[in-house]
Amino acid sequence: EPEVTQTPSHQVTQMGQEVILRCVPISNHLYFYWYRQILGQKVEFLVSFYNNEISEKSEIFDDQFSVERPDGSNFTLKIRSTKLEDSAMYFCASSSYMLTRDGNQPQHFGDGTRLSIL
Amino acid sequence: GQNIDQPTEMTATEGAIVQINCTYQTSGFNGLFWYQQHAGEAPTFLSYNVLDGLEEKGRFSSFLSRSKGYSYLLLKELQMKDSASYLCAVRRLSGAGSYQLTFGKGTKLSVIP
Repeated sequence: EPEVTQTPSHQVTQMGQEVILRCVPISNHLYFYWYRQILGQKVEFLVSFYNNEISEKSEIFDDQFSVERPDGSNFTLKIRSTKLEDSAMYFCASSSYMLTRDGNQPQHFGDGTRLSIL
Repeated sequence: GQNIDQPTEMTATEGAIVQINCTYQTSGFNGLFWYQQHAGEAPTFLSYNVLDGLEEKGRFSSFLSRSKGYSYLLLKELQMKDSASYLCAVRRLSGAGSYQLTFGKGTKLSVIP
C-alpha cells in the first residue's frame, strides 16, 4: 500500500539553526499538510498546500516557517531559526480528491520526524 | 472557534466491546475522522463519517450525529494490540477552499487481559 515517507526520522539541532524536514507524499495525492505534536499533547495543524501554494496556515505557522514543493515528489517544511519550543514530532500528511459524495479523501500520515532543539 | 472533547483514558478487557465518545463544536463541518496512534508513532486512519449514521469497518465502527455534534468509535472483540490512543478529528472546509483536521486530545485505551 502506498505510504507517506518522511526523513529524517530524528533531527537534533542547536537553537537558532535552520532545519528542513522532508516528506514524499503518496504519488497521486494533491493535498499536502504539515502537523506537529508536542510530547504528550494533541496533534496540531500547521499548514495545508495545494496547487503549489499554501491553502491555509495556523497561527503556529509564523514567519519562521515555510513550505516548498521543490520537485514533483518532495514536500518540505523549513524552520528558519529554531527555538526550544519547536521541539516536537512533525507529521506530513497527504490526501487525494475524488468526485464522490465524500469529496476530499482521508489524510494519510507519515511516520513523522522527531525534532529535538538543544 | 472549535472544540473537541473526548475522554482522556479508558480501560477495557480483552474480547470485550468499548465505545469511545467524541463531541465537537465547529463551523464548516466536513467530516469526522477517527485515527489510532500508538505511542511514538504516526496517526493511522481508522474510519470516517460525513453523513449521519453508522459506518462499519471490520471490528471498528463509527457513528455520527451532526445535529448533536456527537460521534463515537466502537471497537469490538478487543485485542491487546488495540491498546493505543484514539484521536477524534474534525475536518473543516475553510474559506480558502482547503481542508484541515482539528484533533481532539485523544483517548488512551488500555486493554487488559
